[in-house]
Amino acid sequence: RKEVEQDPGPFNVPEGATVAFNCTYSNSASQSFFWYRQDCRKEPKLLMSVYSSGNEDGRFTAQLNRASQYISLLIRDSKLSDSATYLCVVNAGAGKSTFGDGTTLTVKP
Amino acid sequence: NAGVMQNPRHLVRRRGQEARLRCSPMKGHSHVYWYRQLPEEGLKFMVYLQKENIIDESGMPKERFSAEFPKEGPSILRIQQVVRGDSAAYFCASSPPGAQTGQPQHFGDGTRLSIL
Repeated sequence: RKEVEQDPGPFNVPEGATVAFNCTYSNSASQSFFWYRQDCRKEPKLLMSVYSSGNEDGRFTAQLNRASQYISLLIRDSKLSDSATYLCVVNAGAGKSTFGDGTTLTVKP
Repeated sequence: NAGVMQNPRHLVRRRGQEARLRCSPMKGHSHVYWYRQLPEEGLKFMVYLQKENIIDESGMPKERFSAEFPKEGPSILRIQQVVRGDSAAYFCASSPPGAQTGQPQHFGDGTRLSIL
């Protein structure tokens, strides 16, 4: 079983749609969590950290469920520019982070 | 404020040659990580270094690959006797001190290595 698992997709949605991605992790001692986005195999860029209480940044909402060991990312009012691969990242301490393989989103006009 | 700097952006080598990839972390960052991304695959952790120390090299192939982060200068990922299967994008990331508490990593633009 992979340490971090994501549904690879692809998710194809129309502009304006709401889309949600889930990510599960296996290490119950994991301490910090992030969502990154990666465009066309360029470098990953930090999208947002994920906090236990849930957090929102504009159209993006991230949630963490420690009991079930999953993280979610919700994107509202999708834009064409949201098309990318979204990477779930889990840090179990000691610096090392584990990346999921990513979920691909395509937003269509 | 310069971000993570990687060079070269593209590197072409023939089978059997050596490849050296460089990474300068963001100012103030003392932790460096190397990842490899094969075509059509996800990011795979290779090695985590602090100045003059390898902290975790669990993702490094046992042969031909080595990494260092000297007291002065950039971190170097070295691949000896390259083979076609080494063709990939190699990303470097850095994070500030306090990485134990889970600081996010910031990535460089990557080096695209092509083996002829």
